[in-house]
Amino acid sequence: EPEVTQTPSHQVTQMGQEVILRCVPISNHLYFYWYRQILGQKVEFLVSFYNNEISEKSEIFDDQFSVERPDGSNFTLKIRSTKLEDSAMYFCASERSGTNYGYTFGSGTRLTVV
Amino acid sequence: DAKTTQPPSMDCAEGRAANLPCNHSTISGNEYVYWYRQIHSQGPQYIIHGLKNNETNEMASLIITEDRKSSTLILPHATLRDTAVYYCIVRSTGTASKLTFGTGTRLQVTL
Repeated sequence: EPEVTQTPSHQVTQMGQEVILRCVPISNHLYFYWYRQILGQKVEFLVSFYNNEISEKSEIFDDQFSVERPDGSNFTLKIRSTKLEDSAMYFCASERSGTNYGYTFGSGTRLTVV
Repeated sequence: DAKTTQPPSMDCAEGRAANLPCNHSTISGNEYVYWYRQIHSQGPQYIIHGLKNNETNEMASLIITEDRKSSTLILPHATLRDTAVYYCIVRSTGTASKLTFGTGTRLQVTL
């Protein structure tokens, strides 16, 4: 069964550093998403991406965050200057088309900011 | 905010059917009901979705009431591996529409 692959599985970074979380969506999927889950809390939407541009972003997704699909296969989330409160599991997801199919989520990257 | 209400926890004996209820009384005509589950801190896993008709796949069945204000996810023969948090999510149609997760139902399957 096709999978969404996320790397690294765990990243530790110092506060103020930039991090890039990487995702390889399923190859024939058109819609891409990032979500995050702070330990013990709900899964929260960050951003959706389609046709090489952001479709929707949440209030969490401020100027410190950016997304990119640099080469047609990878989908990245960049956090420019990490804060302690950015520590969370970050999940990438992809979807074949609008609402007729479900998302496939990756297994996540655990980001720890120290 | 999530538009759904689910019980915080349920227990089910292995081999029995698990029936997980969900209320979505403010659902709009063009909104789908989706079910996902999350095992430990893994990525959420898609289970099933529907608009107004009942749906069945290899994992589960989804029963949606005629007025669409509530639904039930049925796992016909629960196993220990079905222990997870189950999320009922109302999702609008449209390009790249998001999922709004609530707190879900923690299903514990026991021997």
